[in-house]
Amino acid sequence: DSGVTQTPKHLITATGQRVTLRCSPRSGDLSVYWYQQSLDQGLQFLIHYYNGEERAKGNILERFSAQQFPDLHSELNLSSLELGDSALYFCASSVVQGATGELFFGEGSRLTVL
Amino acid sequence: AQKITQTQPGMFVQEKEAVTLDCTYDTSDQSYGLFWYKQPSSGEMIFLIYQGSYDEQNATEGRYSLNFQKARKSANLVISASQLGDSAMYFCAMRETGGFKTIFGAGTRLFVKA
Repeated sequence: DSGVTQTPKHLITATGQRVTLRCSPRSGDLSVYWYQQSLDQGLQFLIHYYNGEERAKGNILERFSAQQFPDLHSELNLSSLELGDSALYFCASSVVQGATGELFFGEGSRLTVL
Repeated sequence: AQKITQTQPGMFVQEKEAVTLDCTYDTSDQSYGLFWYKQPSSGEMIFLIYQGSYDEQNATEGRYSLNFQKARKSANLVISASQLGDSAMYFCAMRETGGFKTIFGAGTRLFVKA
């Protein structure tokens, strides 16, 4: 158990809909990262928050948005869903921002768009 | 821009033998961290090993070692005495000093044969 909690674990929805994925980082971790992993693909970096502030954006679509709340949990909002958004969405946390310190991953939220 | 390249989509190894998974990286930063993660078929991401760019010794963690060649910008993972449970996807990753994002390679799928 990494200590990172993601909900829901599985989600099935239709095209055009909107979903919210939730992440609670490990206790004490200020950094939260979101990644998208499509079928048999690597992890694509979406966005990073540190202590409530957005610090880096990757290839995140305009239909996607995220935020980190004062209690450090984070939410990833996906709207106007398309079939291609079906993927495993990971949240990860770390205690520091620097080059050291591994990411601790949640179990992921598997999104299926029909 | 930082980049991670894993050129082996799939690898086979006989149980109890050693295997090397290749990883090359590109960065203009002098200070960075390199990571390897394992993703079994169950989907979770498991941290294996870390190497800092200023570390003079190659990192080792049990049966895992990282063959770090800074001049060649390579960070190969060596797994000794392979076990059936090592069958999984393996990802190489890098974070620069700014630490705002960790990027991942495309991964190598390892198959361990009995």
